[in-house]
Amino acid sequence: AQSVSQHNHHVILSEAASLELGCNYSYGGTVNLFWYVQYPGQHLQLLLKYFSGDPLVKGIKGFEAEFIKSKFSFNLRKPSVQWSDTAEYFCAVIPPGGGADGLTFGKGTHLIIQP
Amino acid sequence: KAGVTQTPRYLIKTRGQQVTLSCSPISGHRSVSWYQQTPGQGLQFLFEYFSETQRNKGNFPGRFSGRQFSNSRSEMNVSTLELGDSALYLCASSPAGTANYGYTFGSGTRLTVV
Repeated sequence: AQSVSQHNHHVILSEAASLELGCNYSYGGTVNLFWYVQYPGQHLQLLLKYFSGDPLVKGIKGFEAEFIKSKFSFNLRKPSVQWSDTAEYFCAVIPPGGGADGLTFGKGTHLIIQP
Repeated sequence: KAGVTQTPRYLIKTRGQQVTLSCSPISGHRSVSWYQQTPGQGLQFLFEYFSETQRNKGNFPGRFSGRQFSNSRSEMNVSTLELGDSALYLCASSPAGTANYGYTFGSGTRLTVV
């Protein structure tokens, strides 16, 4: 079974600061990787996903992530954050064919952007 | 294009009762998955249905069950509710039974057991 570790549970940044949220996974084979965001009181929204190809993927709202296979990592980045980026961020993985465990999520990172 | 619709949005039930939650996937999507979200355990996989068949089931007791209808709508049932079942229950839909299309989540049903 796969597992996901998000290193930072709480992150506080000022507006315009750069962001990097760490995500590492454990699985013996190929995985599909996702970052989801959950704004206060709202549902999970897909930020970006990686299935194959270019390991640098760009998502919505200026977010990007880089898949480093050798490090089993899929870190989320944004060069300049805004107050509206305050939210909970979840990294998730699943084998390409689906899996007995469904999407496996990390515990999430609560990001607070101070104006 | 309508998103994933979950009803009801909020529920308050008493310990020992049972509850049924509903999920209507995006039109044309045939796969529906259910997740439980709690502050302590985070997001945990309950089960997945594809073409009316349960494909996978997470590590939850038998009190948690579900089904999928021919129109791809899904229901989840929890019997003999316990206080620990209080959570946000999320439904996700996908076009097919593989993970190669991504998953779209609904707004969830917040269940409170008192």
